[in-house]
Amino acid sequence: KAGVTQTPRYLIKTRGQQVTLSCSPISGHRSVSWYQQTPGQGLQFLFEYFSETQRNKGNFPGRFSGRQFSNSRSEMNVSTLELGDSALYLCASSPTDPRTGTQYFGPGTRLTVL
Amino acid sequence: GESVGLHLPTLSVQEGDNSIINCAYSNSASDYFIWYKQESGKGPQFIIDIRSNMDKRQGQRVTVLLNKTVKHLSLQIAATQPGDSAVYFCAESPGGKLIFGQGTELSVKP
Repeated sequence: KAGVTQTPRYLIKTRGQQVTLSCSPISGHRSVSWYQQTPGQGLQFLFEYFSETQRNKGNFPGRFSGRQFSNSRSEMNVSTLELGDSALYLCASSPTDPRTGTQYFGPGTRLTVL
Repeated sequence: GESVGLHLPTLSVQEGDNSIINCAYSNSASDYFIWYKQESGKGPQFIIDIRSNMDKRQGQRVTVLLNKTVKHLSLQIAATQPGDSAVYFCAESPGGKLIFGQGTELSVKP
């Protein structure tokens, strides 16, 4: 099976712009979670989608949003980008409810905000 | 370049030695724990997991120990190899989302 794929792998934006990142989970996985990784804060949970519904949300401002489609693919959007949004954004998929199943990560999208 | 951030604990071992990486977790309600390995430029890779009804689980060259009394988790790697060099994260799961520890950088000297 193909692993979790994320596009694009690298992205450069300027402050105030918005960005959309995409994640395709492992085939058959219905849960997709998003994480932000920075040198200062480490790995932090953004949100989790299961069957197109957001089920869990981390402590990030409303500028961070996401959605999941009927084929389980997910997108996350960041509006009005700030310099501090520069990070590696990771997507993870789980075959079942992530409360009982392992999450498998993609390679991430490296976002740089100038 | 990268901004200054968390100073990761570092563990340096000789090739062939056993490695032990420790982690303290915070949430008593966590019932599922995972160890991930992250190599430079890659996403975290699943190593091994354990549920709260167990105190030990073994995989290939790896063992995870869970002490719920003191909320402590450890990862033991037998016969450490240069390919094991990476940052290792423990994660706890109190209800679906993963809460990651700060990570430990393992450096294996040939």
